[in-house]
Amino acid sequence: DAKTTQPPSMDCAEGRAANLPCNHSTISGNEYVYWYRQIHSQGPQYIIHGLKNNETNEMASLIITEDRKSSTLILPHATLRDTAVYYCIVSGHSGYALNFGKGTSLLVTP
Amino acid sequence: SQTIHQWPATLVQPVGSPLSLECTVEGTSNPNLYWYRQAAGRGLQLLFYSVGIGQISSEVPQNLSASRPQDRQFILSSKKLLLSDSGFYLCACGLAGGSDTQYFGPGTRLTVL
Repeated sequence: DAKTTQPPSMDCAEGRAANLPCNHSTISGNEYVYWYRQIHSQGPQYIIHGLKNNETNEMASLIITEDRKSSTLILPHATLRDTAVYYCIVSGHSGYALNFGKGTSLLVTP
Repeated sequence: SQTIHQWPATLVQPVGSPLSLECTVEGTSNPNLYWYRQAAGRGLQLLFYSVGIGQISSEVPQNLSASRPQDRQFILSSKKLLLSDSGFYLCACGLAGGSDTQYFGPGTRLTVL
């Protein structure tokens, strides 16, 4: 699976959009981009995934660049409960284990 | 939707004692099941995964073992715990067929003293 690079930490004001970037320049054609988050002392939570088209669900939007070498997870109106570590993962739909890496620690402030 | 149950939620065990952590899944059949461990301040490490009853793959050589006696039951065991076994143990469930969408349980926080 391709490697991902994320900033170690980010801050966001409550009510604002949180835009979390991820670089995956070695992604191959059949690999998907997944986003999970882990709130302190809880298990990771699936957020969204995509192949090449932008995706949106009730939690977030995923924007993937045309060359697929990077993506951005958007939380449109961040709340304090969105404070968590966000993981960007590239995977080939193998059903195998996910490589969570170190992720981005997002702090949403009042 | 899938629900993953894990127990106990927290556990304090002496070095050398045995361990049994249980994970059960509701809401799906024939899932892929995973055990991960997260040491304090570290990332998630895959320990075992299973694609069916009695089928276990181990990722990291260690003193832990896993079993899957029923389709939706996954057990993590040890005969003798080490200090280094302390951590946050997470069970996850993925749909059969290759999807990488995994659903995680609430975890068990194990402290070995």
